[in-house]
Amino acid sequence: GNSVTQMEGPVTLSEEAFLTINCTYTATGYPSLFWYVQYPGEGLQLLLKATKADDKGSNKGFEATYRKETTSFHLEKGSVQVSDSAVYFCALSALGSNTGKLIFGQGTTLQVKP
Amino acid sequence: DAGITQSPRHKVTETGTPVTLRCHQTENHRYMYWYRQDPGHGLRLIHYSYGVKDTDKGEVSDGYSVSRSKTEDFLLTLESATSSQTSVYFCAISESEGVYNEQFFGPGTRLTVL
Repeated sequence: GNSVTQMEGPVTLSEEAFLTINCTYTATGYPSLFWYVQYPGEGLQLLLKATKADDKGSNKGFEATYRKETTSFHLEKGSVQVSDSAVYFCALSALGSNTGKLIFGQGTTLQVKP
Repeated sequence: DAGITQSPRHKVTETGTPVTLRCHQTENHRYMYWYRQDPGHGLRLIHYSYGVKDTDKGEVSDGYSVSRSKTEDFLLTLESATSSQTSVYFCAISESEGVYNEQFFGPGTRLTVL
C-alpha cells in the first residue's frame, strides 16, 4: 500500500542553520507529494507541493524536489529562523482506492534556537 | 485563510459517553474529511464525505460515525467514547478529489476521554 516515512525528530537547530528533513514514500503510479506545516496550537497548512517527477516545490524559503528514482521528497531550507519552529508533515496523494486522500508521514518537530 | 471552524476546540469526557464534534465551512467545498492526530502516527483518515449525505470510511473508522446533512457541516460522532479515542481531531476540506488537490485544515479539537 501507499506510505510515507519521515526522519525521526525532534530536530534542533540554531538560527541560520541549514535544514533538511528527509521524506521517502511508497506508492503505485505517480503520486503528488506535499509538505504541510503545523505551528503550535494550529491546524495544518500547505507549505509546498510537487505533482510530477523532477518538479521542485518552493515557498517561504523552503524547497523540495520530487525524486522518483529515489522515491524521495526531502524538505530543505538554507537558513532557518526561530519562527520556523513547527511540526512538518510529508504527505502523498495517489490514484487508486484512496484517490485524492492524503497519506501522511508521522511528522517531524523542528525547534530553532536563537 | 479557508473558512473552517471546529467546535468544540477542547473537550473532556468520560468513557462510555457519546461525543459529537462539528466541522463548519464557508467555502462551499464538496469534499470534507475527518482525521485524528496521534504521536508517531501523523494524521490518519477516519471518514470522508464527497457530498451531502455521501460518506465513506477511512483508515481508522471503527468506533466513529459521521453525518453530512448540509454542504457546510460535517459531524463526527463517537457513539461510546473510549480512552483510545483521546486524540486531536482535524477537519479538512477540498474543492475536488484529484491527486493534485490541496486540502485545507481546521484548527483542531483536542478530545480527552477519561
